[in-house]
Amino acid sequence: SQQGEEDPQALSIQEGENATMNCSYKTSINNLQWYRQNSGRGLVHLILIRSNEREKHSGRLRVTLDTSKKSSSLLITASRAADTASYFCATAEAGANNLFFGTGTRLTVIP
Amino acid sequence: GAVVSQHPSWVICKSGTSVKIECRSLDFQATTMFWYRQFPKQSLMLMATSNEGSKATYEQGVEKDKFLINHASLTLSTLTVTSAHPEDSSFYICSASTRLAGGMDTQYFGPGTRLTVL
Repeated sequence: SQQGEEDPQALSIQEGENATMNCSYKTSINNLQWYRQNSGRGLVHLILIRSNEREKHSGRLRVTLDTSKKSSSLLITASRAADTASYFCATAEAGANNLFFGTGTRLTVIP
Repeated sequence: GAVVSQHPSWVICKSGTSVKIECRSLDFQATTMFWYRQFPKQSLMLMATSNEGSKATYEQGVEKDKFLINHASLTLSTLTVTSAHPEDSSFYICSASTRLAGGMDTQYFGPGTRLTVL
């Protein structure tokens, strides 16, 4: 299956702590993307990292990509209650236009 | 399993014309439908959230007069690209959300519609 797998499935932390979510995939990719979804809302794109990049930052977000291990991590620093949501990784296969989504990590930030 | 269809799957139109894209949930009632736009090998960009019988909620930067959304029933939402121009060429994807037993909302994606504006 080309679907990514995310770890952990659920994560609960205190406000101010850092949250780390991991994503593993199986095929060669063009890029990997992270999305956020609040309950009942649409997917919101957070960050895209290309296959030739190893690390990318956007505000409190830090994404790493290890193509040798076919894995990526999303770090949210200094978490806030408003960060509570589900986070999904999605891989864009090399040479294709499909996006394959992982199963998601449900993050709960306790105020 | 839940199926979401889109029609047409591919449309080519002349600049200045309007194009309507349909999104249907075939075997379930969707409480909410979402419209996304995707550029080649890029991310999904959420355009708007549509609830049946009410006005769509548009994301920042998306022109509501340009992208008209109608959600007439719990199984049908339409996106009309008005006065389309070449820069509107893109892949448009809808998803339909329903609440499963246990209270979890789940989104099912349509196959997408490729719009090419000449």
